[in-house]
Amino acid sequence: EVVLTQSPGTLSLSPGERATLSCRASRSVGSSYLAWYQQKPGQAPRLLMYGASSRATGIPDRFSGSGSGTDFTLTISSLEPEDFAVYYCQQYGGSSMYTFGQGTKLEIK
Amino acid sequence: QVQLQESGPGLVKPSQTLSLTCTVSGDSISSENFYWSWIRQPAGKRLEWIGRIYANGNTNYNPSLESRISISTDTSKNQFSLKLSSVTAVDTALYYCATSPKYYDWWFDSWGQGTLVTVSS
Repeated sequence: EVVLTQSPGTLSLSPGERATLSCRASRSVGSSYLAWYQQKPGQAPRLLMYGASSRATGIPDRFSGSGSGTDFTLTISSLEPEDFAVYYCQQYGGSSMYTFGQGTKLEIK
Repeated sequence: QVQLQESGPGLVKPSQTLSLTCTVSGDSISSENFYWSWIRQPAGKRLEWIGRIYANGNTNYNPSLESRISISTDTSKNQFSLKLSSVTAVDTALYYCATSPKYYDWWFDSWGQGTLVTVSS
């Protein structure tokens, strides 16, 4: 099983700042198989990025994803008030098995 | 876009079977467009994929839970269901149903709102 480790656990920033979230895999993950989600309190996760760098439908272009192998990054170029939430990475490991990272909480500074 | 809604008892006694249903709207569960998954999230912990089913009845389960899981569909009600047997307190979690597109079943593009299940006597 591939273990995903996200860092930092909590990120405190102000609106307008740039956010960089990291997701590290215990072994190499194909870029096609890496996704990011945003979860706000009391809501279900929402797909943000798939294939490591493709934005899901309706996701603004201030969100971008990059990375390959074991290191992946989600970047929010200029934070809006609605971006403060918990972010999860997720990978598909073959054999129809999915795992998630433990999440990064993005909070207002 | 597909809409999903979970339902089921919010409280289950230890050693009993947890049973949840996901009602699908916006597409037919027999349409072969999606894989239908269950995912759970214990309070303060990471999301855990439980298992999935496809229109032809094929299932895939998380190996860590496989001995206790059964996922099935009810095409007449456009629903799919989860049964988790021999539950303990560690099965207390928010349970979600979610979809993965057939040809890109590597992520989850639609989610239900989730239903909280507590295992307690």
